[in-house]
Amino acid sequence: KNEVEQSPQNLTAQEGEFITINCSYSVGISALHWLQQHPGGGIVSLFMLSSGKKKHGRLIATINIQEKHSSLHITASHPRDSAVYICAVSLFQGAQKLVFGQGTRLTINP
Amino acid sequence: EAGVTQSPTHLIKTRGQQATLRCSPISGHTSVYWYQQALGLGLQFLLWYDEGEERNRGNFPPRFSGRQFPNYSSELNVNALELEDSALYLCASSIYGSYNEQFFGPGTRLTVL
Repeated sequence: KNEVEQSPQNLTAQEGEFITINCSYSVGISALHWLQQHPGGGIVSLFMLSSGKKKHGRLIATINIQEKHSSLHITASHPRDSAVYICAVSLFQGAQKLVFGQGTRLTINP
Repeated sequence: EAGVTQSPTHLIKTRGQQATLRCSPISGHTSVYWYQQALGLGLQFLLWYDEGEERNRGNFPPRFSGRQFPNYSSELNVNALELEDSALYLCASSIYGSYNEQFFGPGTRLTVL
């Protein structure tokens, strides 16, 4: 079993829909990261959080440390949001090392 | 402020050859990380360098090695290339410290024929 599990693996939605991507982890962490990877391969860090909730524009990330679960929400989704979204965790031990989920491929149709 | 840069963008090698990939971190960042993203697989941690020292290593064979220079730039060397080494290799940098965000470069796509 992977230390970091994401769901769903693939998600297709219509423009304007509210999107939720989930991440569960089984290890002790110092922080959780949400990353966005576009088809060209480049990765952008969206959020790094260790508790609570963060918001940036239409993106919201939450984390529940007790339940070892995080969600990434996209409000008013747009075709340009189409990308692979990756959850990653910094482990307590060797905290500089990131362990990644398998990614969620999001497609937003106009 | 310039982001993390990597070179080359693409690299084509044949089995048994050696590949050298380069990474320049964001100014002020002392830590450099290397990750591999093979086709159909997720990202996997390869190596972490800070202040010129290898600090942590992922589950990869010794033919994956690297170094960090005094200006904090880094090289990843892959010796005796195998077909399964074909992947996107991503470099990231951060300020040293357990809770610091990593910033990723655009990657080098290595193809082994």
